[in-house]
Amino acid sequence: ETGVTQSPTHLIKTRGQQVTLRCSSQSGHNTVSWYQQALGQGPQFIFQYYREEENGRGNFPPRFSGLQFPNYSSELNVNALELDDSALYLCASSLLSASGIYNEQFFGPGTRLTVL
Amino acid sequence: AQSVTQLGSHVSVSEGALVLLRCNYSSSVPPYLFWYVQYPNQGLQLLLKYTTGATLVKGINGFEAEFKKSETSFHLTKPSAHMSDAAEYFCAVHDRGSTLGRLYFGRGTQLTVWP
Repeated sequence: ETGVTQSPTHLIKTRGQQVTLRCSSQSGHNTVSWYQQALGQGPQFIFQYYREEENGRGNFPPRFSGLQFPNYSSELNVNALELDDSALYLCASSLLSASGIYNEQFFGPGTRLTVL
Repeated sequence: AQSVTQLGSHVSVSEGALVLLRCNYSSSVPPYLFWYVQYPNQGLQLLLKYTTGATLVKGINGFEAEFKKSETSFHLTKPSAHMSDAAEYFCAVHDRGSTLGRLYFGRGTQLTVWP
């Protein structure tokens, strides 16, 4: 069973640029969530994707967007990068059951984004 | 919105000593409760969780936590610290009954273990 993987591991961008981060879900999972972890902080929920649609969002501006593909992999896109976007971006996958029962989220190793 | 408070951003203990990491949540309805560990340059690993049933929960690596509704707390303990326990620990909650998989995290506690 393959765990959650993310690419790239590290990325350096300049202010104003755009970035795409990628995540492959754990086998059998149908939901992907993205979190931003700034230095010295706990992870903050960005959004969640289920059945290729965003079904929940945290307090992040629209320049943070995402996609989920039929194979349940996902992308996080950030436009017009700002210095404060420098953080570790974590992807987590889980199985959302028809009953809505919460199932454990499994986290990937993260992508470290540095904005200069 | 949920709020998770971890008292003490840094905790230092000697090897073999008791580890106690504190976590309090804000909601009036007890949420699902989790402790995660993060080693340098790695993602989050689940240590243990409380959803229902027995309030004392045992996890991996000898850690356990006790849910106390009256204190809105879920403190993490380990009787005897090991050097390999040095890492950052996060308490997290999930709104009971929510179909959105959103976790709310505390700011984390860095655990240092001295030889």
